[in-house]
Amino acid sequence: QKEVEQDPGPLSVPEGAIVSLNCTYSNSAFQYFMWYRQYSRKGPELLMYTYSSGNKEDGRFTAQVDKSSKYISLFIRDSQPSDSATYLCATLSNDYKLSFGAGTTVTVRA
Amino acid sequence: SAVISQKPSRDICQRGTSLTIQCQVDSQVTMMFWYRQQPGQSLTLIATANQGSEATYESGFVIDKFPISRPNLTFSTLTVSNMSPEDSSIYLCSVLGGGYYNEQFFGPGTRLTVL
Repeated sequence: QKEVEQDPGPLSVPEGAIVSLNCTYSNSAFQYFMWYRQYSRKGPELLMYTYSSGNKEDGRFTAQVDKSSKYISLFIRDSQPSDSATYLCATLSNDYKLSFGAGTTVTVRA
Repeated sequence: SAVISQKPSRDICQRGTSLTIQCQVDSQVTMMFWYRQQPGQSLTLIATANQGSEATYESGFVIDKFPISRPNLTFSTLTVSNMSPEDSSIYLCSVLGGGYYNEQFFGPGTRLTVL
């Protein structure tokens, strides 16, 4: 069983729509949950991180973690064509190793 | 944030040869990591490289195939040895650092094609 499962999509939405991305993880010991964004032919960049359960909001982006169900979510409001990228969820172990989901490729159509 | 560069950015190699990938960081960092991103797949951690100690490899990766050097706090190399087409992948280094101690910054990656 992979440590982090993510639907690879792809996902195509019209501009202005809400994008909803989800992951599940297996190890209940994980405390840090990350969302990375990766543009084509670039390295991943950290978008948001959440510690333990709860919500975190940053502009148009909201990250949610439900530790009881081991569920991670990212919502993008008022999506823009510039949001078109691959979004990777990840968990961080105590020794700073990241376990990534497969990544979901999102296309926002103008 | 840390600025990371990798060399080469891409290469096409013949099977049986070796390629050394360089990772340079603009600041001193304790922990560096090497990941592999195979076509259509997510990132998989190869090894952790700390200065002054041997690299620690993840399950499925061995030092003979992926030797790593970490001579100082701003530089590391990963060698892909005796390459086969299955080694065609993007190789990325990352570093632990920045304002949030748990944040990892990634380099742009090295795109390797083995013929």
